[in-house]
Amino acid sequence: KAGVTQTPRYLIKTRGQQVTLSCSPISGHRSVSWYQQTPGQGLQFLFEYFSETQRNKGNFPGRFSGRQFSNSRSEMNVSTLELGDSALYLCASSLGTVELNTIYFGEGSWLTVV
Amino acid sequence: QKEVEQNSGPLSVPEGAIASLNCTYSDRGSQSFFWYRQYSGKSPELIMFIYSNGDKEDGRFTAQLNKASQYVSLLIRDSQPSDSATYLCAVPFSGGYNKLIFGAGTRLAVHP
Repeated sequence: KAGVTQTPRYLIKTRGQQVTLSCSPISGHRSVSWYQQTPGQGLQFLFEYFSETQRNKGNFPGRFSGRQFSNSRSEMNVSTLELGDSALYLCASSLGTVELNTIYFGEGSWLTVV
Repeated sequence: QKEVEQNSGPLSVPEGAIASLNCTYSDRGSQSFFWYRQYSGKSPELIMFIYSNGDKEDGRFTAQLNKASQYVSLLIRDSQPSDSATYLCAVPFSGGYNKLIFGAGTRLAVHP
């Protein structure tokens, strides 16, 4: 059974640019969440999508956005990149239909903003 | 504000010993609890999931939950150098099916 797949794995962007990250969840999982991990702030929740709808949102500025497609694949976009956006971006996959369900992470996308 | 607290460590234990990692949480309504292991430069890997009071064992790992005390722990028996990693405790937001709040993580170092 394939795990959570994230692309690209590594990328370097310049301040002011935008970036799009992609996530393919585990087959059968309909919920995809995104997290940002930095040394200073740890792991922080960005947003969650379920059946193409944003179901939950964390405390991040509007520059961070996402979407989910009918096949449950998800993308997140960060516009007008800032140096502080340099982080590991993680996608998490789950069934999303019950609270007591397991949540699995992809390998992450390492973003460096210069 | 829901919070999850962990000692950042490092927790240093000799090979073969029991490593005990602790986590407290603020929301009494929390129903389930996750332990993830994260090696340096890698993504978090789910190692334990518990939602009932008491102990849950899986191989060398035992998760212990005490909802009255709002406390969850992870014991690693016969610790190996390969267990050296950061261990993250996570709690779902109420009503958040795939929305976790994480502790800062405890760094474990197992020395030969």
